[in-house]
Amino acid sequence: AAGVIQSPRHLIKEKRETATLKCYPIPRHDTVYWYQQGPGQDPQFLISFYEKMQSDKGSIPDRFSAQQFSDYHSELNMSSLELGDSALYFCASSPQGSGTTQYFGPGTRLLVL
Amino acid sequence: AQTVTQSQPEMSVQEAETVTLSCTYDTSESDYYLFWYKQPPSRQMILVIRQEAYKQQNATENRFSVNFQKAAKSFSLKISDSQLGDAAMYFCAYEEKGAQKLVFGQGTRLTINP
Repeated sequence: AAGVIQSPRHLIKEKRETATLKCYPIPRHDTVYWYQQGPGQDPQFLISFYEKMQSDKGSIPDRFSAQQFSDYHSELNMSSLELGDSALYFCASSPQGSGTTQYFGPGTRLLVL
Repeated sequence: AQTVTQSQPEMSVQEAETVTLSCTYDTSESDYYLFWYKQPPSRQMILVIRQEAYKQQNATENRFSVNFQKAAKSFSLKISDSQLGDAAMYFCAYEEKGAQKLVFGQGTRLTINP
């Protein structure tokens, strides 16, 4: 079965640089979620989109922005990167909104030097 | 804000034995969803089991079952006949109905002893 695809899988950036993470949901899933998991931490919700509209927002820094496109893929844009942004970034998708199972991608490991 | 608490940072069990992981949550809502996710060393997040708060019957998935106590706001995971492949970090998660985000607990690292 098709799974959530995230690219790139690994990314190394310098402080103050910009990064773009991409997420391709499972076919026919119209809801996408982004989570950030720091070392030894639980995943923290950043933002979600349903039918290309932002549906919920968590502790996402102002330096970050995200959107969902017409083909339902999503991109997380991160600017002015800080050392503390080093983390595993998960994208998840579900066929509809609240209460349905979120299927997670393999994550993008971001290292900021 | 809703919170999820897993009071056991680490647990270990002998292979083929049964282990129970604890989870409590705090919410003023009556309709919500609860999940257990497994994160093996690969860091992939894998759904183990899902429970709808309005359903009194405890969810089961093969060797995995939950004890959902709504009044006590408790949602424990029981793993029967533990296998080496069950070794992982286990996260309890909550989602309020109408929201589109999961709130995770701190996780419990489960070790299986052969």
